[in-house]
Amino acid sequence: KAGVTQTPRYLIKTRGQQVTLSCSPISGHRSVSWYQQTPGQGLQFLFEYFSETQRNKGNFPGRFSGRQFSNSRSEMNVSTLELGDSALYLCASSLTFSPRADTQYFGPGTRLTVL
Amino acid sequence: SQELEQSPQSLIVQEGKNLTINCTSSKTLYGLYWYKQKYGEGLIFLMMLQKGGEEKSHEKITAKLDEKKQQSSLHITASQPSHAGIYLCGATNSGNTPLVFGKGTRLSVIA
Repeated sequence: KAGVTQTPRYLIKTRGQQVTLSCSPISGHRSVSWYQQTPGQGLQFLFEYFSETQRNKGNFPGRFSGRQFSNSRSEMNVSTLELGDSALYLCASSLTFSPRADTQYFGPGTRLTVL
Repeated sequence: SQELEQSPQSLIVQEGKNLTINCTSSKTLYGLYWYKQKYGEGLIFLMMLQKGGEEKSHEKITAKLDEKKQQSSLHITASQPSHAGIYLCGATNSGNTPLVFGKGTRLSVIA
């Protein structure tokens, strides 16, 4: 089975711009979670989608949004980029939305640099 | 909210030596994951522990869960350069809440 794929792998944007990142989960997985990883804060949960519905949301401003399509693919969008948004954005997929029961498998990440 | 503290933050060991990484939770653990990350890349799933006292092994890596201490340990036997990377523990304290991760332990293995 193919793993979780994320596109693009690298992205450079300037302050004020917006960006859309894409994630394709493992075939058959219906839950997609997004995380932001920075050296200072570590890995922080952004949001989780299951069957096109947002199930959980982390403590991030409204500039961060996401959605999931009927084929389980997910996108996240960051509007009005700030320097502090520079990070590695990781997507993870699992069968369901129960972290206690289902393992989350991570993609390679998208490295976003905001200048 | 749940917090996970990993120790040590970094570790340099000589090839062939054993090592242990600890992950301590501020709240009751219901599911504990160990992942490995190469710098700037995605996380590779290692093991998942669900029950107190549970112990799992994969190749030379063993993980244990001590529910009473709210702690998990990851032990590597006879370390190799391929073990180098960042080890992250992630946990949830209920069925459907998102995973919370520790800050990671950076492991370097020198010849």
